[in-house]
Amino acid sequence: AQKVTQAQTEISVVEKEDVTLDCVYETRDTTYYLFWYKQPPSGELVFLIRRNSFDEQNEISGRYSWNFQKSTSSFNFTITASQVVDSAVYFCALRRGGGSEKLVFGKGTKLTVNP
Amino acid sequence: KAGVTQTPRYLIKTRGQQVTLSCSPISGHRSVSWYQQTPGQGLQFLFEYFSETQRNKGNFPGRFSGRQFSNSRSEMNVSTLELGDSALYLCASRWQGDTGELFFGEGSRLTVL
Repeated sequence: AQKVTQAQTEISVVEKEDVTLDCVYETRDTTYYLFWYKQPPSGELVFLIRRNSFDEQNEISGRYSWNFQKSTSSFNFTITASQVVDSAVYFCALRRGGGSEKLVFGKGTKLTVNP
Repeated sequence: KAGVTQTPRYLIKTRGQQVTLSCSPISGHRSVSWYQQTPGQGLQFLFEYFSETQRNKGNFPGRFSGRQFSNSRSEMNVSTLELGDSALYLCASRWQGDTGELFFGEGSRLTVL
């Protein structure tokens, strides 16, 4: 069975602080995909990044960076110099390879960035 | 390019009624999936469709059903509504292929009284 755990339910930081959102996953598949989505109050899930199981290269996109480590089954997300607009709920998700649409989501981490 | 469009955005029903939610995927996307989001259970997969065929179904009772039309638009239906069906229902579409990400709509928020 597949499972995603986001141990941090809520995080509150002050603007310009760096913050890391943790994600630990479980799967027996050798081919799988990991995702991060952002959900602002409007409700829409906004895609941030996808990683496949064969690509452990870390990625940086502006203030966002992701650290994928298969050895610890983790896919952590760091926001550098956080801004108020980063306030949202962030979800980590797992999908098996083979074309299935089914995403298994973590419970989400609510990030509040205070001015 | 227009995003995933869901209608209605908000609706209120009473127990025992049924509801139909609609989803128009991004133009050219043939794959549509549905998710239910509740505070207690989080985001849970309902079902997915590709070319009018249901390919996968989540662990939900038979009261939850869906379909996809030839233009890739999709509907989901919940019959005999229960209080626990109150949720945000999210639709997502994807370009065919294994590596594409899902694009989500803003959801339909259902309240069952």
